[in-house]
Parts: sequence; structure tokens; C-alpha cells
Amino acid sequence: GAGVSQSPRYKVTKRGQDVALRCDPISGHVSLYWYRQALGQGPEFLTYFNYEAQQDKSGLPNDRFSAERPEGSISTLTIQRTEQRDSAMYRCASSFRRVARQGYYNEQFFGPGTRLTVL
Amino acid sequence: KQEVTQIPAALSVPEGENLVLNCSFTDSAIYNLQWFRQDPGKGLTSLLLIQSSQREQTSGRLNASLDKSSGRSTLYIAASQPGDSATYLCAVPGSNDYKLSFGAGTTVTVRA
Repeated sequence: GAGVSQSPRYKVTKRGQDVALRCDPISGHVSLYWYRQALGQGPEFLTYFNYEAQQDKSGLPNDRFSAERPEGSISTLTIQRTEQRDSAMYRCASSFRRVARQGYYNEQFFGPGTRLTVL
Repeated sequence: KQEVTQIPAALSVPEGENLVLNCSFTDSAIYNLQWFRQDPGKGLTSLLLIQSSQREQTSGRLNASLDKSSGRSTLYIAASQPGDSATYLCAVPGSNDYKLSFGAGTTVTVRA
């Protein structure tokens, strides 16, 4: 089946502009996550949705960052008044949390990411 | 806060050699541990998820072990191939089961 998709794959913008990054999770996955990855580092958590509810936004760096998932499927991460330090790879993941015999199962599947460059 | 460390940062081996990648984490109260592969220009591919109650998990040439009490996991890749060249990341959720903390990764080069 189709994996997690993200668009655009690359985004170049000028400082001060707003950008919107889109994530389309795997069908049936109720949980959706946004991460940000700097070069040479692992991804860092930004925010998490369960269905349409934003359960945790503790990783959003400041109030210029916001995310929504209004119908519990596609999600949009919006960055207002972009700054050069916002340049990074933005990754989306989805999962279907379930209880298995071995324990709580929550394998996250990642999309290809959006490479954001702020000039 | 969960801290994840991966050693070594880079590894270069001739084709056919076995690979050993190490991951350590500071908080042993984890639900599970995931190993990912990252290729340039592509997303993260989930390789293995090992539950906290398991000691190892196998998929093909890959074997991951987990020692929760000592905060360590090891990914073994048998009989490496040039196609195994990539960056390998390990990740663990913290006190919740969803906020993954990642290591910086081990970049592997397999020489033909």
C-alpha cells in the first residue's frame, strides 16, 4: 500500500514568508507526528496528533510554528515569518497504535520529508 | 530527558564483512526501540522494532538485540553488501510511547 507522502519535497523561500508543509499519512493510521531534522543529526520531535486532536506540541520551537489535522487525516505544518534558522528537513510519520502480545506496539513510518531552505 | 548515542559515527567495511552498530540510551523505561535506515533524498525506512519485553528481533540479514537494563541495543547486519550503505538510526520513545528520541546515526559504507 501507499506509504506516508509529503509535499512539497523541496521548498525554497525568502525570510519573512509563510510556508505550509503537507503530510498525507498511511490510510488507517490514527496517529501522526512531525519531526525536524538538522544535517548530521537525528530527527527531533515537534508535535503529535491522535485523530484530529493535537495531543502534544511541546516540541514546536516557538509560536511561529503551528500544525493542524482538521479531519484526522492530512496534516499541515505551518511556519509563519520564516527565518534562516528554520532551514531543515521536516519529516512526518504515522502509526497505528495497538496492543500486541509482546507489549504496546507503535511502529512509526516516515515520509520522504520536505527540505526547507530559507534564504 | 532521553539521550540516545550511537557509536561509531561512521563505519567503512569491505563487502561480505559483518556490521555491528551500537546504540545506547539513558532512560531504560522504554516501550520499545526502533532501528531505521536513512538514504540520501529518501525518508527513514523502519527496519526493526523490538519491544521492551524482547531480547532480540530478526529480519533477514538483520538482527537487533536489546538490553534494557543496561540501556543498549545492537544492530547486526550479516554479510554486508554495497546496497547496505546508508545511515542507520536508532530511536526510543521516552516516558510516553510516541515521542521518539533519535541518535545522530551511524553512516555505513560497504566497499565493493
